[in-house]
Amino acid sequence: EAQVTQNPRYLITVTGKKLTVTCSQNMNHEYMSWYRQDPGLGLRQIYYSMNVEVTDKGDVPEGYKVSRKEKRNFPLILESPSPNQTSLYFCASSSQEWGGRGRELFFGEGSRLTVL
Amino acid sequence: EDKVVQSPLSLVVHEGDTVTLNCSYEVTNFRSLLWYKQEKKAPTFLFMLTSSGIEKKSGRLSSILDKKELFSILNITATQTGDSAVYLCAVDPVRPSRNAGNMLTFGGGTRLMVKP
Repeated sequence: EAQVTQNPRYLITVTGKKLTVTCSQNMNHEYMSWYRQDPGLGLRQIYYSMNVEVTDKGDVPEGYKVSRKEKRNFPLILESPSPNQTSLYFCASSSQEWGGRGRELFFGEGSRLTVL
Repeated sequence: EDKVVQSPLSLVVHEGDTVTLNCSYEVTNFRSLLWYKQEKKAPTFLFMLTSSGIEKKSGRLSSILDKKELFSILNITATQTGDSAVYLCAVDPVRPSRNAGNMLTFGGGTRLMVKP
């Protein structure tokens, strides 16, 4: 089954304690991205990756890091989490092919993070 | 900067009602507009619109795009409690380079609640 898998789904942590949210896709997609979703603000992009070893900042990258060492994995790293990073995080992937349903994003189930 | 605004922010209706959700956008070099439905988890794809005036339809849901006035509407007829969700609108612009990232820009969403 084609899917994007994130872990953990729920996490409560404390300020300053490094954490990693993993993301894996099994569709051989080139493009992967991380979003955070906050009430009234929709989905805002944190980082994206066009392919292995190619990453770039989205709209709200501060306080986050990513890596893309393998095509299927795109972990999100919070080196020193702060309460303003409390949010719902989504990983997404897409083929880079043009046409058809366009660049439809496939989303993971979401990771709800609370930083105390 | 690309911008997507959805209205209303939230909506409460009764089963059987018809609802219209609005999405207006400002984007350089428009390529397509996408609608997603988000229940308690990941957004799921509904429609992709690229041409003005052509209605896309799926069961009780339909959507249309007006590229002159820069908006789209999503209609749901004979609403059911299962339609309760956040509906997200996103635009996908043509980037200067085929490999320029940062794909979709999302609106803040409309939260629809359908009461029995």
